[in-house]
Amino acid sequence: QKEVEQNSGPLSVPEGAIASLNCTYSDRGSQSFFWYRQYSGKSPELIMSIYSNGDKEDGRFTAQLNKASQYVSLLIRDSQPSDSATYLCAVNTGQTGANNLFFGTGTRLTVIP
Amino acid sequence: SQTIHQWPATLVQPVGSPLSLECTVEGTSNPNLYWYRQAAGRGLQLLFYSVGIGQISSEVPQNLSASRPQDRQFILSSKKLLLSDSGFYLCAWSVYGNGYTFGSGTRLTVV
Repeated sequence: QKEVEQNSGPLSVPEGAIASLNCTYSDRGSQSFFWYRQYSGKSPELIMSIYSNGDKEDGRFTAQLNKASQYVSLLIRDSQPSDSATYLCAVNTGQTGANNLFFGTGTRLTVIP
Repeated sequence: SQTIHQWPATLVQPVGSPLSLECTVEGTSNPNLYWYRQAAGRGLQLLFYSVGIGQISSEVPQNLSASRPQDRQFILSSKKLLLSDSGFYLCAWSVYGNGYTFGSGTRLTVV
């Protein structure tokens, strides 16, 4: 079983709509959760982090965490063509050592003008 | 503020040639450092990570190696490149509990 799972997409939404990206994880002890945005040919960029259950909002982005159900989601409101990218979910399991952040394979989002 | 530098941005190398990619971090001490590879259209594959000078952990056995000669320097090497080594190589750093910050990456094409 993969540590972090995401639908690969592609997910297409019209401009101005809400894009909803989902991620599930297997380690119930996971402690911190991150969303990265990766434009084609570029490196991943950290856009959101969330550490406790509930919602965290930052501009048009809202991260949602439900530890009981082991899922984390990212909502993008008023989607823009510039939001078209691959979104990577990452989960820090809290295990000792440096190798404790696990990435999903990413969901490709296309915002249609 | 912390910054991470990675070079070169693009590299085309013949099969069997050596490789050296360098990554340096500024503005932080004793970071955890990572090398990832991303094949075209694929996810991130962790290659190596390091918690300190001279301390290297390998995740995937292959013809690549890594070294950390200084606290904020991480080097990825190969003695003889294979076609399958082509990909997008990413260096990253972190401190415990936080997300990783990635460098700008090196796109390697082995021909």
